[in-house]
Amino acid sequence: AQSVTQLDSQVPVFEEAPVELRCNYSSSVSVYLFWYVQYPNQGLQLLLKYLSGSTLVKGINGFEAEFNKSQTSFHLRKPSVHISDTAEYFCAVTASGGYQKVTFGTGTKLQVIP
Amino acid sequence: GAVVSQHPSRVICKSGTSVKIECRSLDFQATTMFWYRQFPKQSLMLMATSNEGSKATYEQGVEKDKFLINHASLTLSTLTVTSAHPEDSSFYICSAFLANEQFFGPGTRLTVL
Repeated sequence: AQSVTQLDSQVPVFEEAPVELRCNYSSSVSVYLFWYVQYPNQGLQLLLKYLSGSTLVKGINGFEAEFNKSQTSFHLRKPSVHISDTAEYFCAVTASGGYQKVTFGTGTKLQVIP
Repeated sequence: GAVVSQHPSRVICKSGTSVKIECRSLDFQATTMFWYRQFPKQSLMLMATSNEGSKATYEQGVEKDKFLINHASLTLSTLTVTSAHPEDSSFYICSAFLANEQFFGPGTRLTVL
């Protein structure tokens, strides 16, 4: 089974400042990793995913994440945040191979301060 | 990208009634769909895996008689909350896989009075 830890429940950051949202995972098998964003009362939108290959993954809205196997981490970063980035962010993991159950972290609320 | 829809987006019902939520994959076929539940300010918890043409697989602690899942076709899965009570009030989200990516529906907000 897999597990995901998002240590920061809330991250306040000023507009145009950089941000990093942390995600660590645990698994005995190889994994796929995902970051999703959720706006209030909406479903989840995929920001980016790591399946294989380059460990630096670029996603939508200027976000990127780096897969670090030795540290079992998949931290999400953005060099300059906007007010519109205020949302809940979920890290998720699944065993590689597709069609597997996805386990979500507890989420990090990113609050961008004007 | 692939689109998953849910209907209704919002439902309010009285305690004791049953509510059906539909999840459709609009432009692809999905032999497997997933149903999640999300409490306010919490993460998504997988309730069950819905398999087309066979019985759903429920996660531990989820009452299968309470949350009936039917995956009648390759594009439609339904979740019926039977005899709903206020504690069943939640945000229900479905998803389907396509090419190693999970696509989520927009969610259904259920409020039981």
